[in-house]
Amino acid sequence: QKEVEQNSGPLSVPEGAIASLNCTYSDRVSQSFFWYRQYSGKSPELIMSIYSNGDKEDGRFTAQLNKASQYVSLLIRDSQPSDSATYLCAVYNYGQNFVFGPGTRLSVLP
Amino acid sequence: SQTIHQWPATLVQPVGSPLSLECTVEGTSNPNLYWYRQAAGRGLQLLFYSVGIGQISSEVPQNLSASRPQDRQFILSSKKLLLSDSGFYLCACYRGQDEKLFFGSGTQLSVL
Repeated sequence: QKEVEQNSGPLSVPEGAIASLNCTYSDRVSQSFFWYRQYSGKSPELIMSIYSNGDKEDGRFTAQLNKASQYVSLLIRDSQPSDSATYLCAVYNYGQNFVFGPGTRLSVLP
Repeated sequence: SQTIHQWPATLVQPVGSPLSLECTVEGTSNPNLYWYRQAAGRGLQLLFYSVGIGQISSEVPQNLSASRPQDRQFILSSKKLLLSDSGFYLCACYRGQDEKLFFGSGTQLSVL
């Protein structure tokens, strides 16, 4: 069974610090990787996608992918209280379904 | 870009009552559509997905059903709700050109 694992948290970081969120997946042939942000009571919002090994930066967010280690991470620089949310990692193979991790709850303390 | 409409936003239903949640999509044609459920504090559970009109695949056997009567309409139903059906129901649409999944605003269902 294909699995995506994340630490449930909560992960607490002070405002202005770097938040590091981690995700591992079991299906070695997974091709596409996504990070979603979900505020309490709201639907998940896509914030980053990554398809190749290495880093991908978008504003304060950096996604990192290491397919050999089956590991994907999300770094949030200069964390703000508004970044406090649950972050979901998702893995996708073409023609199959998305597999989501359980999410990591991030709390940014002012 | 596509827009996903879901309603109602919240719903309180008694045990044993029927359910109908509707999802419609704009800005795309022949989309892959999904129904997910998220229990309080839990991850996303895929319930149903559809690759076209009348084509439904069920991921989890339960008292829920889904239908796709039109290309951009996806409906989640139940004849008799259980307490365990409470949760946050999300409709999602897959965008093929960049392999991304987008969610509607969700329905918070409470079965009492």
